[in-house]
Amino acid sequence: DAGVIQSPRHEVTEMGQEVTLRCKPISGHDYLFWYRQTMMRGLELLIYFNNNVPIDDSGMPEDRFSAKMPNASFSTLKIQPSEPRDSAVYFCASSSSFRRGSGNTIYFGEGSWLTVV
Amino acid sequence: KNEVEQSPQNLTAQEGEFITINCSYSVGISALHWLQQHPGGGIVSLFMLSSGKKKHGRLIATINIQEKHSSLHITASHPRDSAVYICAVLFGNEKLTFGTGTRLTIIP
Repeated sequence: DAGVIQSPRHEVTEMGQEVTLRCKPISGHDYLFWYRQTMMRGLELLIYFNNNVPIDDSGMPEDRFSAKMPNASFSTLKIQPSEPRDSAVYFCASSSSFRRGSGNTIYFGEGSWLTVV
Repeated sequence: KNEVEQSPQNLTAQEGEFITINCSYSVGISALHWLQQHPGGGIVSLFMLSSGKKKHGRLIATINIQEKHSSLHITASHPRDSAVYICAVLFGNEKLTFGTGTRLTIIP
């Protein structure tokens, strides 16, 4: 398997523009996570899905952020309108049966490096 | 509050040295992950632990549930081990809580 695939790898955009980040999880994984990493706050969970259903979006910073998972092989994270403080690395990760005690590994994508100017 | 603390924040060592990175957490957990992040950003899961000890090559991870503490050890360290090591904990649900990371630099 190719692993978790994210696109774009790098994006520079102007404040106010819409940004869409994409993720293809590992085939067969039923959990998908979106994380954000910044120097100040480290890694933070934004939202996660189980079987394509959003389970917890309490980490989404505000209404400008939205995420969808229309099918088991694709998810998007959208920021509209983007702001300079959204500049960060956004990681998508997937796992199989990521529940207590099941002991399954989480696989991260390479990240999408977003810069909003 | 569910918290995860790592130490040290930064560690520089000579090639060949034995390395220990520590992780402590505040309340009972269901699982603990050790992650490795290289310059350039990719994150790799090294271990998932819920009890005991695991070994993979030169890497060893241990967890003491009673003391709420885990350690990551690297034997015969090598410059390619230079990376940020992150402890991440599941506090009984499906949301990982991350430590702040330990930046390890191995000098040839």
